[in-house]
Amino acid sequence: QQQVKQSPQSLIVQKGGIPIINCAYENTAFDYFPWYQQFPGKGPALLIAIRPDVSEKKEGRFTISFNKSAKQFSLHIMDSQPGDSATYFCAARPGGTSYGKLTFGQGTILTVHP
Amino acid sequence: DAMVIQNPRYQVTQFGKPVTLSCSQTLNHNVMYWYQQKSSQAPKLLFHYYDKDFNNEADTPDNFQSRRPNTSFCFLDIRSPGLGDAAMYLCATSRYGHAEQYFGPGTRLTVT
Repeated sequence: QQQVKQSPQSLIVQKGGIPIINCAYENTAFDYFPWYQQFPGKGPALLIAIRPDVSEKKEGRFTISFNKSAKQFSLHIMDSQPGDSATYFCAARPGGTSYGKLTFGQGTILTVHP
Repeated sequence: DAMVIQNPRYQVTQFGKPVTLSCSQTLNHNVMYWYQQKSSQAPKLLFHYYDKDFNNEADTPDNFQSRRPNTSFCFLDIRSPGLGDAAMYLCATSRYGHAEQYFGPGTRLTVT
């Protein structure tokens, strides 16, 4: 019940395309859903996050869509660029805690071709 | 810039030889975390501190220990590294009451 399932494992798009990465969870106690971007040899960087009281959040070219009833959320990258090539992790944190034990998805390796 | 710093970035140790990895932060966050990340896998939480209060994950091997002498610094000690401990070790911080975690660049540990 603590798992977060992420798909696809890998994704290849052309520059300008809109890659979509999906995550699904079972634990209804989760109340915070971040996305992290990780380049090879670097630590994960917080990209964007959402709470279940909203269905969509945009920051620049990155958008999270959240479907509370389906227990799913997804990351959309608009006008993708080769510099967006990285591994993306979704995560979730249960509510009722003042700091976060994050449960991570398995990761998606995104490649954006020029 | 406020940040999370990890040293060294690359560490090579011999099988069974103790090793210490360090993390420091200028964010003044009171929660610090240590994660292990193996190749092509998600980060796995080993333990975390809320101030000096230590919280160990149930499946973290006894071989892994940690110290937090003050707010800014946290150490990961691996008492007898095995080949299976080769991984990237990530330190992260967060502020109590806030969900956002900020990661350092990681230390890549190689065990020979």
